[in-house]
Amino acid sequence: GAGVSQSPSNKVTEKGKDVELRCDPISGHTALYWYRQSLGQGLEFLIYFQGNSAPDKSGLPSDRFSAERTGGSVSTLTIQRTQQEDSAVYLCASSLLGTSGRGPTFFGPGTRLTVL
Amino acid sequence: GIQVEQSPPDLILQEGANSTLRCNFSDSVNNLQWFHQNPWGQLINLFYIPSGTKQNGRLSATTVATERYSLLYISSSQTTDSGVYFCAVPTNFGNEKLTFGTGTRLTIIP
Repeated sequence: GAGVSQSPSNKVTEKGKDVELRCDPISGHTALYWYRQSLGQGLEFLIYFQGNSAPDKSGLPSDRFSAERTGGSVSTLTIQRTQQEDSAVYLCASSLLGTSGRGPTFFGPGTRLTVL
Repeated sequence: GIQVEQSPPDLILQEGANSTLRCNFSDSVNNLQWFHQNPWGQLINLFYIPSGTKQNGRLSATTVATERYSLLYISSSQTTDSGVYFCAVPTNFGNEKLTFGTGTRLTIIP
C-alpha cells in the first residue's frame, strides 16, 4: 500500500481481556517495528522484525506481550490479560531494509488502546 | 545506551517566523532521522540524514556526525508546522532499535 496501515484505530477493552493489533507495512519493506507511546511521553521500542524473524524482542514489557509476522508482511501484536498500564498508542513502522544506515523509517497512524 | 537530547523543549512562534531545533547525541551514529508528530499523533518522516545537509521546501536539516549534533531549520513557519519534532538514532551502531530524543514542542500562532 501507499503507507503503513494499522487496525483498529481505537480499541477499548476491559482489564484481563486479550487484544490483537494489526499492522500492514509498506509493500516490499522487509523491516518492521512496533513502538508504543504513553500519553505525553516519548516512544518506547517493543520489537523488530526482519522478514518473519524477530532478532530483537528486548522491548517487550512482559510475557503477556507477543508478536508475529507472516509472509514477510502483516504483523500482529497480541497483549494477553491486559492491564491498565498497557493503555497507550501502539505504533507500527517499516523500512526498506533496516535503519542501520540503509533508509528511512515510516510510521503508521497507530492504535490507541484503552484498558478500563 | 546512547543519549539523545533536544533543545529547546518548547517553542512558541508567530506565523512566518524562522526556527532552529537542535539534537545532540552522546555517541557515534551512522544515521539520524527527524520526525514531525502532528497534533493528531501521526509521525511523519522529515529527513533521513546521516551527514551533510538536505532541504525539502521550507525545511532543511544538517547533521555534523563528528560533533554529534543535528539541526532542523524551519523557515516561514505555518500553523500546520505545529506539533512535536523528534530526532532519532540507532541505539547502538548497527542496531535496528531507534532511540528517540526528548522532543521539541513547536506551537505556531496565527
